Amino acid sequence: QVQLQESGPGLVKPSETLSLTCTVSGGSISSYYWSWIRQPPGKGLEWIAYIYYSGSTNYNPSLKSRVTISIDTFKNQFSLKLSSVTAADTAVYYCARETAVAGRARFDYWGQGTLVTVSS
Amino acid sequence: DIQMTQSPSSLSASVGDRVTITCQASQDISNYLNWYQQKPGKAPKLLIYDASNLETGVPSRFSGSGSGTDFTFTISSLQPEDIATYYCQQYDNLPSYSFGQGTKLEIK
Repeated sequence: QVQLQESGPGLVKPSETLSLTCTVSGGSISSYYWSWIRQPPGKGLEWIAYIYYSGSTNYNPSLKSRVTISIDTFKNQFSLKLSSVTAADTAVYYCARETAVAGRARFDYWGQGTLVTVSS
Repeated sequence: DIQMTQSPSSLSASVGDRVTITCQASQDISNYLNWYQQKPGKAPKLLIYDASNLETGVPSRFSGSGSGTDFTFTISSLQPEDIATYYCQQYDNLPSYSFGQGTKLEIK
């Protein structure tokens, strides 16, 4: 059974960089797309970015200038960096696996989520 | 960007009721649409993919239909454990996936 686990600081100061890592267990990171999705408290879901195991990436245009996603296939991990954070970036951050076949895609495995609060 | 509009935003129903949620895309997305269930404090869970395909292990009382711009998610007989918020999600419009705003389902 594939499991994803987010890790990283729960508190980040304004203007600093938020850094999170997702560790994948129970399966290989290869041959899948891996995404970060966030959810501000009491609000809906926002897709942030994905990375393919080969390293190709895609970003939400609204966040692209501040986001970097990377992958370490040897460690079965992928990571998110979000720079110049503000209170608006306070959210639960989820990592998720995207199964994509023949142009079809779905988020079929999710981490439990980690709350990141931006505050001084 | 493609906007996804769900309705209603909240819904109260009785156990055994048939429940229907709609999701409208701002442009044609064929059937590139998924549905997720999110219980409080938990991660979303995939229920329906490609508009009408039931994810493995998901009870058959859940179903989805539609194509183009109009989609429907149905619970044929509401159970107490179905209390959650439901989201539609389109994946036709890269480079950005988008979710509907969610429908909060409560027991009457």
